[in-house]
Amino acid sequence: EVQLVQSGAEVKKPGATVKISCKLSGNTFTDFHMHWVRQSPGEGLAWMGLVDPIDGETFYADKFQGRVTITADTSADTAYMELSSLRSEDTAVYYCATGPSLSTHGDLELFFDCWGRGTLVTVSS
Amino acid sequence: EIVLTQSPATLSLSPRERATLSCRASQSVNSSYLAWYQQKVGQAPRLLMYGASTRATGIPDRFSGSGSGTDFTLTIGRLEPEDFAVYYCQQYGSSLLTFGGGTTVEMK
Repeated sequence: EVQLVQSGAEVKKPGATVKISCKLSGNTFTDFHMHWVRQSPGEGLAWMGLVDPIDGETFYADKFQGRVTITADTSADTAYMELSSLRSEDTAVYYCATGPSLSTHGDLELFFDCWGRGTLVTVSS
Repeated sequence: EIVLTQSPATLSLSPRERATLSCRASQSVNSSYLAWYQQKVGQAPRLLMYGASTRATGIPDRFSGSGSGTDFTLTIGRLEPEDFAVYYCQQYGSSLLTFGGGTTVEMK
């Protein structure tokens, strides 16, 4: 069973950069796309992007393109999400999430059947 | 971008009643690539359904999903106390994955 453990809460000033980690255990790291989804009262749930740990290929939502970088470290079974040029509207809970196994379901099943507990990022001066 | 509109925003029901939640897409969702999630306060969302009508592992059969194209429905046959929560739909038929705004199922 896949488990995702995220790093702790962060407080950042406007203009800063935040980097959150997400460690996968219980299964093969490279068999899952790693997605990042954020949630705030004003925006609801918003998909930010994904990384394919096999080759590091990434796909980002247009809204975050240029500000977000998602990476995967296969030696540590850990994915990272870095968001730069933070503003108050980026205050949210950030989740990592995986879909079903790529080897059994392919790469089109882009729903999320395992989620981390979330990391609260607060942007405030 | 496919916009998902969920209705109603809030559903006030009693235990053992039937809940019907709607998710309407601004354009057709390819291959019924639509999922439903349940979220309780302070928790991450939990996958209920995918492919519009396939229950995720461990989800009781009082939950059912239907629909295709632009109109999808999540039905909870008989509400149990643990079913009072917020429900979201999500489409994955396009390269930009999007969520609906949610329906709160509250106890009357």
